Amino acid sequence: GENVEQHPSTLSVQEGDSAVIKCTYSDSASNYFPWYKQELGKRPQLIIDIRSNVGEKKDQRIAVTLNKTAKHFSLHITETQPEDSAVYFCAAALSGNTPLVFGKGTRLSVIA
Amino acid sequence: KAGVTQTPRYLIKTRGQQVTLSCSPISGHRSVSWYQQTPGQGLQFLFEYFSETQRNKGNFPGRFSGRQFSNSRSEMNVSTLELGDSALYLCASSGGTGAYNEQFFGPGTRLTVL
Repeated sequence: GENVEQHPSTLSVQEGDSAVIKCTYSDSASNYFPWYKQELGKRPQLIIDIRSNVGEKKDQRIAVTLNKTAKHFSLHITETQPEDSAVYFCAAALSGNTPLVFGKGTRLSVIA
Repeated sequence: KAGVTQTPRYLIKTRGQQVTLSCSPISGHRSVSWYQQTPGQGLQFLFEYFSETQRNKGNFPGRFSGRQFSNSRSEMNVSTLELGDSALYLCASSGGTGAYNEQFFGPGTRLTVL
């Protein structure tokens, strides 16, 4: 089955700097890659997703890039703010009928 | 719309006992998925139900089971609890079945097994 590796497990950045979280997946047939954000004590929430027919997607300060050849996708957060501090989970799915496989998460700390 | 709700929010059980957790999805959502969240392991998929049918099942032992009712509410049961079952159990509902639909998570039930 699909396996998703996520790096780094923890990341600290200065406020205003950029943060990059990378995930690799094992099954080249995977075609859907969402990112969820979980603030401390809160529930995970979808922040951005990308399909395999798209190489990059942006939404204000966040962007996701996908490299199908290398089987990896990354979350980019620019101009980080303290409210970006959270655990971020990447995930992958083989199809619309299969469940999401999540990475183990990255704890991002934005230092003011 | 009201969000996904889960009851109870906290549970303390002892080894060998069984437990039932409940999840009420967002009104109109027919898909409910369950995940186990533990420190360092992320979110591990347990199972997904859609219209009372189990659509997908994760790699967990048979002690973990679930069901969905006609009103889309779902329950999961864990029998013969082990210490390693201590975790946050999250359910998520979505408007359709499968991964392409945004998962709306509940607050979770924190289970502690002593």
